Amino acid sequence: DGGITQSPKYLFRKEGQNVTLSCEQNLNHDAMYWYRQDPGQGLRLIYYSQIVNDFQKGDIAEGYSVSREKKESFPLTVTSAQKNPTAFYLCASSPLVESYEQYFGPGTRLTVT
Amino acid sequence: KNEVEQSPQNLTAQEGEFITINCSYSVGISALHWLQQHPGGGIVSLFMLSSGKKKHGRLIATINIQEKHSSLHITASHPRDSAVYICAVRARNSGGSNYKLTFGKGTLLTVNP
Repeated sequence: DGGITQSPKYLFRKEGQNVTLSCEQNLNHDAMYWYRQDPGQGLRLIYYSQIVNDFQKGDIAEGYSVSREKKESFPLTVTSAQKNPTAFYLCASSPLVESYEQYFGPGTRLTVT
Repeated sequence: KNEVEQSPQNLTAQEGEFITINCSYSVGISALHWLQQHPGGGIVSLFMLSSGKKKHGRLIATINIQEKHSSLHITASHPRDSAVYICAVRARNSGGSNYKLTFGKGTLLTVNP
């Protein structure tokens, strides 16, 4: 089945530790995105990538880093510099055509204590 | 002021009722998306539209570009329709960033049996 996988579903970390969230897609989509969702707020874009080995900051990139070494994979690292890392993180992908319809993964809920 | 406003924030209905969720936006857009998020967190794309009306099963989405307004209707609502419904817009001519979506905060729908 084609789709987007994120793992793990729940992740717990101590403050001060970096943590990497995985996102894999087998939809052959060129573009991939990371969003953060907080209670009572709309999704906010962290980073996006339209092509392998290239990525751009979104609206709230501070404290995060990404890589895009393969078309299928777009891991997100939440660094210790991110002041409020506890959130629900969603990965998405889309074809680079006019429709730009985005397909979302199941999400990872990160809790940092 | 958010670029995308949804109403109501919360909606409770009895099974069988006709549901309407509204979305207003303030920018020129090339497309509007309706998304569904279930309690587990994963997001499913319901509709993407740029004009007129689309129907899928019991779901109907309409958009009025001149009034910058869209509605999502659910006919014969069912408890399994209980979810958060999210409106997102893709701004027109956003300087090459035509991938970018701006999200509303979502409408929590609860359908009671």
